[in-house]
Amino acid sequence: SQTIHQWPATLVQPVGSPLSLECTVEGTSNPNLYWYRQAAGRGLQLLFYSVGIGQISSEVPQNLSASRPQDRQFILSSKKLLLSDSGFYLCAWSEEGRGYGYTFGSGTRLTVV
Amino acid sequence: LAKTTQPISMDSYEGQEVNITCSHNNIATNDYITWYQQFPSQGPRFIIQGYKTKVTNEVASLFIPADRKSSTLSLPRVSLSDTAVYYCLVGETSHSGNTGKLIFGQGTTLQVKP
Repeated sequence: SQTIHQWPATLVQPVGSPLSLECTVEGTSNPNLYWYRQAAGRGLQLLFYSVGIGQISSEVPQNLSASRPQDRQFILSSKKLLLSDSGFYLCAWSEEGRGYGYTFGSGTRLTVV
Repeated sequence: LAKTTQPISMDSYEGQEVNITCSHNNIATNDYITWYQQFPSQGPRFIIQGYKTKVTNEVASLFIPADRKSSTLSLPRVSLSDTAVYYCLVGETSHSGNTGKLIFGQGTTLQVKP
């Protein structure tokens, strides 16, 4: 069966520090991968998606970047965190080409102080 | 991508049936309608998906009229644990190479009271 792992669960980082959140998927190949962010009391905002290794599409201009070094690994990064980067970050995967049937990770609660 | 509109919040009581309606006037021919449930500090969880008419699973039913411009998620006999945010989404087609990205709206916050 397919599983998705996301870590860490919580993170407190000072302003200006770097960030690296990792997401891995098991039990499938060539998945579509997604990073979402959810600010407190708000809906989910799509940040990045990837349909293959090295293929990253950004949905909104921001202080963050994403990379996909391996088929089932998706990394969200920042060189210098801003206060506005605080939020709940969720990784998700779907089968290639499918626009539905997402499976989400457990999320990372990031607080920038 | 088709835009969706749903109520921001709804209240209900335990044991009642809850119906949440979503409008998607610009739905495309190959689009599916999917509903997700999200509890606080958790990722959304897939509930149900449909293309037309009625779909039922162990959790909910989804009613889609012939014109597909709206859909209704029906939760039978809700309990306190059904308190969550419910998202209605209209996805892209399932063709190979498609990005499959889904855009989440604000969702409907359902509060079930004792």
